[in-house]
Amino acid sequence: SYDLTQTLSVSVALGQTATITCGGDNIESKNVHWYQQKPGQAPVLVIYRDNNRPSGIPERFSGSNSGNTATLTISRAQAGDEAEYYCQVWDTSASVVFGGGTKVTVL
Amino acid sequence: EVQLVESGGDLVKPGGSLRLSCEVSGFTFSIFNMNWVRQAPGKGLEWVSFISYSSSSKYYADSVKGRFTISRDNAKKSLYLQMDSLRADDTAVYYCARVNGDFEPQIDYWGQGILVTVAS
Repeated sequence: SYDLTQTLSVSVALGQTATITCGGDNIESKNVHWYQQKPGQAPVLVIYRDNNRPSGIPERFSGSNSGNTATLTISRAQAGDEAEYYCQVWDTSASVVFGGGTKVTVL
Repeated sequence: EVQLVESGGDLVKPGGSLRLSCEVSGFTFSIFNMNWVRQAPGKGLEWVSFISYSSSSKYYADSVKGRFTISRDNAKKSLYLQMDSLRADDTAVYYCARVNGDFEPQIDYWGQGILVTVAS
């Protein structure tokens, strides 16, 4: 099975840039999607297919994917960006794989 | 407005069964693939099952294979998850989720989730 590795937590100062990584074997060959989940709420899609933003998601959210690492970047971080972030891909066995999640704290 | 509303969650004893339902509105259900995803208390997201728009393809996580069955009724705009032989580690919030895209697609809409508790 395919494994995705995420850093447990990331702290970012208000207004600065947060970088969240998702590691996987040759992950650049896969479409990577990112979800934001706030406590007590359902996840929300923030980036799909590596670097595309759904409508309604601020331009401050961006993504990239290269080599063995996909990255979600949050620019000009706001207090409302505090959440758990999950990356997701599809395994070759037609199953969905989520990373373990990264908790983002805005200081 | 796209809406997915889960129901059927409950407290059930180990070894018992439960059927979750997800009623959707705001989009043409019959042309979208669907997932069930769960989240144990304080844990991360775990994919459970996938069903194609026509029900021709169904996939399951190893942790539920042989115990859970996914199905849908396009006429009723509803998705189901039949859960049998439930175990304590099946305790989780279960989300109904819409799949959008062709190749390695994303989940673009989620329900609010429904709690299933397996305990004696």
